[in-house]
Amino acid sequence: AQSVSQHNHHVILSEAASLELGCNYSYGGTVNLFWYVQYPGQHLQLLLKYFSGDPLVKGIKGFEAEFIKSKFSFNLRKPSVQWSDTAEYFCAVINTDKLIFGTGTRLQVFP
Amino acid sequence: DAGVIQSPRHEVTEMGQEVTLRCKPISGHDYLFWYRQTMMRGLELLIYFNNNVPIDDSGMPEDRFSAKMPNASFSTLKIQPSEPRDSAVYFCASSLGTLGNEQFFGPGTRLTVL
Repeated sequence: AQSVSQHNHHVILSEAASLELGCNYSYGGTVNLFWYVQYPGQHLQLLLKYFSGDPLVKGIKGFEAEFIKSKFSFNLRKPSVQWSDTAEYFCAVINTDKLIFGTGTRLQVFP
Repeated sequence: DAGVIQSPRHEVTEMGQEVTLRCKPISGHDYLFWYRQTMMRGLELLIYFNNNVPIDDSGMPEDRFSAKMPNASFSTLKIQPSEPRDSAVYFCASSLGTLGNEQFFGPGTRLTVL
């Protein structure tokens, strides 16, 4: 079965630091990949998604992710984080009919 | 558009009681999803509907859980009887068109079963 792994469970950064959150999926075929963000006390919102084409995907709020098929990875990056990026980040993959979420990475950014 | 609407936002109940969670998807969306979020298990898909028809309920944990979608603008998730291990945040989400499209999430219902 399709699965998603997020190895970083909790990341703590200072403002202006660079961010990279890991995401690996298990399926070798065509995949649709997503990153969602959940700000404290709020619902999930889509950051970006990859279906096909350019493997470097730009999302909202300065986030980007790179799809590397050979590594089964879809890591999320941001060159300079802000305190307002404090949130939980979920990688997700669709296979046929289900959106499968990773366990999430909690990001804390300190001023 | 108001987005996905869920009610109640918070529910505290005692073990053995029936709990009903409600969801109004975004108008025009033809997919509706119910998820459960816990610290231990993360986000789990419980069930989803397409055009009001349940398509996959393999994520529903037990027969105590049931979900309905009587029309395109309303869905319920019922737990009867509720147990303390059902305590979680329950999210409803909707999307338009294929499953590959973005899912829009509601604010969630935080359920506490004492």
